[in-house]
Amino acid sequence: SQTIHQWPATLVQPVGSPLSLECTVEGTSNPNLYWYRQAAGRGLQLLFYSVGIGQISSEVPQNLSASRPQDRQFILSSKKLLLSDSGFYLCAWGQGDMRPLHFGNGTRLTVT
Amino acid sequence: TQLLEQSPQFLSIQEGENLTVYCNSSSVFSSLQWYRQEPGEGPVLLVTVVTGGEVKKLKRLTFQFGDARKDSSLHITAAQPGDTGLYLCAGVGGGSNYKLTFGKGTLLTVNP
Repeated sequence: SQTIHQWPATLVQPVGSPLSLECTVEGTSNPNLYWYRQAAGRGLQLLFYSVGIGQISSEVPQNLSASRPQDRQFILSSKKLLLSDSGFYLCAWGQGDMRPLHFGNGTRLTVT
Repeated sequence: TQLLEQSPQFLSIQEGENLTVYCNSSSVFSSLQWYRQEPGEGPVLLVTVVTGGEVKKLKRLTFQFGDARKDSSLHITAAQPGDTGLYLCAGVGGGSNYKLTFGKGTLLTVNP
């Protein structure tokens, strides 16, 4: 069966510090991978998605970046965090088009 | 940009009551998915509707996709405290079958 791992679960970082969130998927190959951000338990904002290794599509211009160094690994990064980067970050994978997404349990990021 | 509007934003009811939440858009979607999210976790898929006018039932939950594939509703019969959570609709379309557009969700609380 397929599983998705996302870590860390919680993170407190000062303004201006770097960020690296990692997500890995097991039990499937060539998944579509996604990073979403959720503010205050509300709707999900798509940040990045990837349909293959090294292929990243950015949906929202900001100081975040994403990379996919391996087929089942997706990384969300920032060189300098802003207060506005606080939120709940969710990684997800999907297979093919119009298929449902499977989400990790998220990372609660607080920038102080 | 495709938008999905969910209503109501918040709903608090007593156990045993019926309820309906709505997901509306001015855009046409190839398919629409409903997810439920509990605090501190990622969303979990409930159902996918694809055909205009389609009705799907999942125990006490009934999902309907509008004839024009622009809107959807979720009806819960005899709500239970275990139904408490954030209900999110998400649409596939807009020229890309890889991206889901999420609504802001309906936060449902069922009181015992």
